Amino acid sequence: ETGVTQTPRHLVMGMTNKKSLKCEQHLGHNAMYWYKQSAKKPLELMFVYNFKEQTENNSVPSRFSPECPNSSHLFLHLHTLQPEDSALYLCASSHTGSANTEAFFGQGTRLTVV
Amino acid sequence: GDSVTQMEGPVTLSEEAFLTINCTYTATGYPSLFWYVQYPGEGLQLLLKATKADDKGSNKGFEATYRKETTSFHLEKGSVQVSDSAVYFCALSDKRGGSYIPTFGRGTSLIVHP
Repeated sequence: ETGVTQTPRHLVMGMTNKKSLKCEQHLGHNAMYWYKQSAKKPLELMFVYNFKEQTENNSVPSRFSPECPNSSHLFLHLHTLQPEDSALYLCASSHTGSANTEAFFGQGTRLTVV
Repeated sequence: GDSVTQMEGPVTLSEEAFLTINCTYTATGYPSLFWYVQYPGEGLQLLLKATKADDKGSNKGFEATYRKETTSFHLEKGSVQVSDSAVYFCALSDKRGGSYIPTFGRGTSLIVHP
């Protein structure tokens, strides 16, 4: 248990479906992140939220829509995805005010687009 | 921004062999350095860290020393076990706009055979 909880753990969706991934942390961190991890590729930072404001969007297609209603919750809304979007989606949180503190990760959502 | 480069894998070893995974960093200052580990089916978790030059981080038999002169933070373990099979990520805290954002290398897969 890392303090960061992601649901669901597994998700299979069709290309025309709409679904959402949820992430929750009660570690008191001010920043939350979405990462995409595909087989044989580096970890890709998708979005950064700092005090619930989006501070980074790394050229992510608009079919991925993040939402951060408060510093403890982060969502990733998915619609009209492609098969190449199948991957492990990881959420993380951290304190951004100190260089010495680490990021805490959830266990991820394994997404399969069919 | 700051970045890390780590050796490509997979690294395949027999049980009780010596492990080295190389990591070098590029930074304008002196960032804190981290190693994370990802076991199959899980998110990343902190393995060890070092916050200043010549510091040695250690945990579970793994060690890494912050070398400012060679901008390196190589991960070592004297005798690996099958249970060490995982993906290892080198990381640093990159200062962007006043906030420290975790920045990861591409990961190195370690496979340990009995």
